[in-house]
Amino acid sequence: GDSVTQMEGPVTLSEEAFLTINCTYTATGYPSLFWYVQYPGEGLQLLLKATKADDKGSNKGFEATYRKETTSFHLEKGSVQVSDSAVYFCALSDRSGSARQLTFGSGTQLTVLP
Amino acid sequence: KAGVTQTPRYLIKTRGQQVTLSCSPISGHRSVSWYQQTPGQGLQFLFEYFSETQRNKGNFPGRFSGRQFSNSRSEMNVSTLELGDSALYLCASSLEGDLYGYTFGSGTRLTVV
Repeated sequence: GDSVTQMEGPVTLSEEAFLTINCTYTATGYPSLFWYVQYPGEGLQLLLKATKADDKGSNKGFEATYRKETTSFHLEKGSVQVSDSAVYFCALSDRSGSARQLTFGSGTQLTVLP
Repeated sequence: KAGVTQTPRYLIKTRGQQVTLSCSPISGHRSVSWYQQTPGQGLQFLFEYFSETQRNKGNFPGRFSGRQFSNSRSEMNVSTLELGDSALYLCASSLEGDLYGYTFGSGTRLTVV
């Protein structure tokens, strides 16, 4: 079945540091890939997405490129801020068949220190 | 544009009781999905509805059920509550499928005592 493997956390960085959170996936079809962010006590917010190979999703300084050859969708940001502290989830949605569901990674807790 | 609205935000129930959670999707969104989030199991898919029909169901016991109304609002019901049902229940809506992404509500925090 489909699965998402995420870099284990927690991750602690200083403000303005470079961020990478690794994400790899296994899927039988041609998935869409997503990064979601969850702030304390809140639901999930879509951060960025990519629907086909070599697509680059970007939002609020975050970027991720859909790499089919390495089945990866790593999240990057050049300079993190304290306000980026949250839990980040990588997810996929396999468009083959009639399935309409998101498969999530385990989440990575990011803490940015001033 | 209003987001996905889930009610109530917090709920405390006793083991053995049943509970109904509500989700109002973004206007125009016809797909509604439900997820359970726990510290131990992470985010797990419960079910997905589209135009009042359940299209997909996750690996949960029959105590978990749902429905969708003609206005796309959805409810999920959990009967005979167990302590392990304590979780954050998240609802997500989408125009159709995944190409546009899923928008999540803030969730309902259910505590079973």
